[in-house]
Amino acid sequence: GQQLNQSPQSMFIQEGEDVSMNCTSSSIFNTWLWYKQEPGEGPVLLIALYKAGELTSNGRLTAQFGITRKDSFLNISASIPSDVGIYFCAGRTGTASKLTFGTGTRLQVTL
Amino acid sequence: EPEVTQTPSHQVTQMGQEVILRCVPISNHLYFYWYRQILGQKVEFLVSFYNNEISEKSEIFDDQFSVERPDGSNFTLKIRSTKLEDSAMYFCASSVAGYNSPLHFGNGTRLTVT
Repeated sequence: GQQLNQSPQSMFIQEGEDVSMNCTSSSIFNTWLWYKQEPGEGPVLLIALYKAGELTSNGRLTAQFGITRKDSFLNISASIPSDVGIYFCAGRTGTASKLTFGTGTRLQVTL
Repeated sequence: EPEVTQTPSHQVTQMGQEVILRCVPISNHLYFYWYRQILGQKVEFLVSFYNNEISEKSEIFDDQFSVERPDGSNFTLKIRSTKLEDSAMYFCASSVAGYNSPLHFGNGTRLTVT
């Protein structure tokens, strides 16, 4: 099956710093989504990308759908304590409706 | 904002017992999904459901699992005879369409099998 590898696995940053994380695969995806998960909760949608090369922002978050369709990145600018959580990329291939999730990046923000 | 709701939030059951996890998807959504997440691991696909039938399932979704949409609002996951390794968070999700449409997730049911 398709594998989505995220890096880094975890990050410890200071409040105010910018963050960059990415998601790569050996398979081609036609949809990339980024979710955030906090303890005891379900994944919450942050950004959805549907076209290769697409760059989309949601407040301090920016994500891009890679030109090769095999990768995506998420940037968070000026991090704040409530950015703490696990960030998952998820992708769709072919005509399937299901999403395949990445391995996750755990973000910790210190004051 | 409409949301996916799941009940119960936590279910404890003995090995070999049947459990039913319940979900109310967002009302105008047509595609429904179950995922699971073992503690500390990634979110894994179990099954997708559209037009009253399973459209895709993973190798995890064996004969012990079944899904049903018993009425116009509920979507259930049944595990017939639970095993210890079924202990996980189970998330229900729904989407408006199967393509170019994000999945919206509920807050999950934590299943503990003892």
